[in-house]
Amino acid sequence: SQQGEEDPQALSIQEGENATMNCSYKTSINNLQWYRQNSGRGLVHLILIRSNEREKHSGRLRVTLDTSKKSSSLLITASRAADTASYFCATGGAVVSGSRLTFGEGTQLTVNP
Amino acid sequence: DADVTQTPRNRITKTGKRIMLECSQTKGHDRMYWYRQDPGLGLRLIYYSFDVKDINKGEISDGYSVSRQAQAKFSLSLESAIPNQTALYFCATAWGNEQFFGPGTRLTVL
Repeated sequence: SQQGEEDPQALSIQEGENATMNCSYKTSINNLQWYRQNSGRGLVHLILIRSNEREKHSGRLRVTLDTSKKSSSLLITASRAADTASYFCATGGAVVSGSRLTFGEGTQLTVNP
Repeated sequence: DADVTQTPRNRITKTGKRIMLECSQTKGHDRMYWYRQDPGLGLRLIYYSFDVKDINKGEISDGYSVSRQAQAKFSLSLESAIPNQTALYFCATAWGNEQFFGPGTRLTVL
């Protein structure tokens, strides 16, 4: 079964609004990552947060991690039409274990112009 | 030029045929992965390799095999394709904790 579960499955917003996606997971992790996938294309790494971190920023992205609740959220501020894509969380083990990632089912984000 | 390339990009085949999907990378990474993605689902790991001599099964390896011909090349084979192997297949490399994905191969098994 998938380690990560994402909520909502689909999200539709207007350009300029903020988008928040949530991810829950089941087991202990070394890190949690967010990836973006444009329709039918490969995934692109967005941001990584380690298990000892609580919040991380990268440009318009803000990720939080609550290990006590086994959950993470991805916030995209001031969204643009170009942000339309699927967003996946992935939980990772340590590099020594091969850095295997377990992906959630994704949130389809649509940003309307 | 893309750092991780996959060939073919699209393939339609028939049940029972042997299929090979190829992945090449110019990133110089030791770790490589094969995933499949089904509609509306996340990626599931098929096989992964730490280096040329180290191959490991992922969560859904049945019906698949792999070959790591060189550091830069990692091939996925379907020995006898079946319709439920119709999916989007991705190759990835890893550096540290981050993975770098190829553009994908869309495989249809009739």
